[in-house]
Amino acid sequence: GQNIDQPTEMTATEGAIVQINCTYQTSGFNGLFWYQQHAGEAPTFLSYNVLDGLEEKGRFSSFLSRSKGYSYLLLKELQMKDSASYLCAVRDGDYKLSFGAGTTVTVRA
Amino acid sequence: IAGITQAPTSQILAAGRRMTLRCTQDMRHNAMYWYRQDLGLGLRLIHYSNTAGTTGKGEVPDGYSVSRANTDDFPLTLASAVPSQTSVYFCASSELAGVGTGELFFGEGSRLTVL
Repeated sequence: GQNIDQPTEMTATEGAIVQINCTYQTSGFNGLFWYQQHAGEAPTFLSYNVLDGLEEKGRFSSFLSRSKGYSYLLLKELQMKDSASYLCAVRDGDYKLSFGAGTTVTVRA
Repeated sequence: IAGITQAPTSQILAAGRRMTLRCTQDMRHNAMYWYRQDLGLGLRLIHYSNTAGTTGKGEVPDGYSVSRANTDDFPLTLASAVPSQTSVYFCASSELAGVGTGELFFGEGSRLTVL
């Protein structure tokens, strides 16, 4: 099984940077995903890491260290619309995707 | 618009009743999944199917069954609903890993309340 940990809540100011950490323990590893989920909506794909290092996509970046079982999602230049839940998910050796409980980010003006 | 369609979007159900949540995708993805989402627990995998004709159990399969007769449809059945099955259910699909990122595409969810 999977054990995926991420903080429950984070609050930041509009225009600031927030880093959401995720640690995991899996039986096999075939990639780590970050999803964004606004309240009452479906999750949507943000990023994917399978090799160590940083993946940058606009204001969002995701980092992976496989040896440490660690990832983070970095949100830059925060906007009010970034208020959402951010889900860390790990694909295991059987290619099944398991999710952490999610981090609720609140952006304040 | 291509994507995943779930039905119903919301349902209130008496305990002991049988219920089928429908899921259809038009992206020709091989793999399909059912998750339930509960406050504080995140998304938990119920059942999955890597290709038509095959299914597998996820983390919380008890009380649920699935079938995958063709590529597009992946219904989830609760044979005899219980209150603990009150949840939001998400269907998702993906290409198998090795084809792109294998990211999941989600339906809009089905909110089920069992009384």
